Amino acid sequence: AAGVIQSPRHLIKEKRETATLKCYPIPRHDTVYWYQQGPGQDPQFLISFYEKMQSDKGSIPDRFSAQQFSDYHSELNMSSLELGDSALYFCASSWTGANYGYTFGSGTRLTVV
Amino acid sequence: QQQVKQSPQSLIVQKGGISIINCAYENTAFDYFPWYQQFPGKGPALLIAIRPDVSEKKEGRFTISFNKSAKQFSLHIMDSQPGDSATYFCAASLTGTASKLTFGTGTRLQVTL
Repeated sequence: AAGVIQSPRHLIKEKRETATLKCYPIPRHDTVYWYQQGPGQDPQFLISFYEKMQSDKGSIPDRFSAQQFSDYHSELNMSSLELGDSALYFCASSWTGANYGYTFGSGTRLTVV
Repeated sequence: QQQVKQSPQSLIVQKGGISIINCAYENTAFDYFPWYQQFPGKGPALLIAIRPDVSEKKEGRFTISFNKSAKQFSLHIMDSQPGDSATYFCAASLTGTASKLTFGTGTRLQVTL
């Protein structure tokens, strides 16, 4: 079965640089979520999109922005990167009809040096 | 403020033993309570989930017990195996379109031979 695809798997950036993370949800899933997971921490909700519209916003810094495109893939853009942005970034998708049961991608490990 | 509290932080269980992880929540509007299993470098994977109209749900070796009045739920892993060694997160969410998951702080389970 198709899963949530995230790219790249690993990314190394310098401070103050910009990073773009991509997420391709499971086909027919209409909702995409982004989570940030620091080392040894639980995933923290950043932002979600339902049918290409922003649905909810969590503790996402103003330096970050995201969007969902017409083909339902989503991108998380991170600017002016800081050392503290180093984390695993997960995308998840779900289908409203099923209401429950996120599927997470394997994540992008961002390292800011 | 941690809306979903999880304990213990780490757990060591012998092979064949029972692993028990507990969670407590504060928001009485939560109505979906999943457990996720996460291996290092991987995304969280849905293990089992329960809704508050059910007090217990069993799937194979995994059982969720739910106590609505106490606002607590727990995961029992019977006949624990070394392959179960992972980090387990409880979570909670509301019903509705694009509802975000609020995670507990995680339990690192190690099953020894």
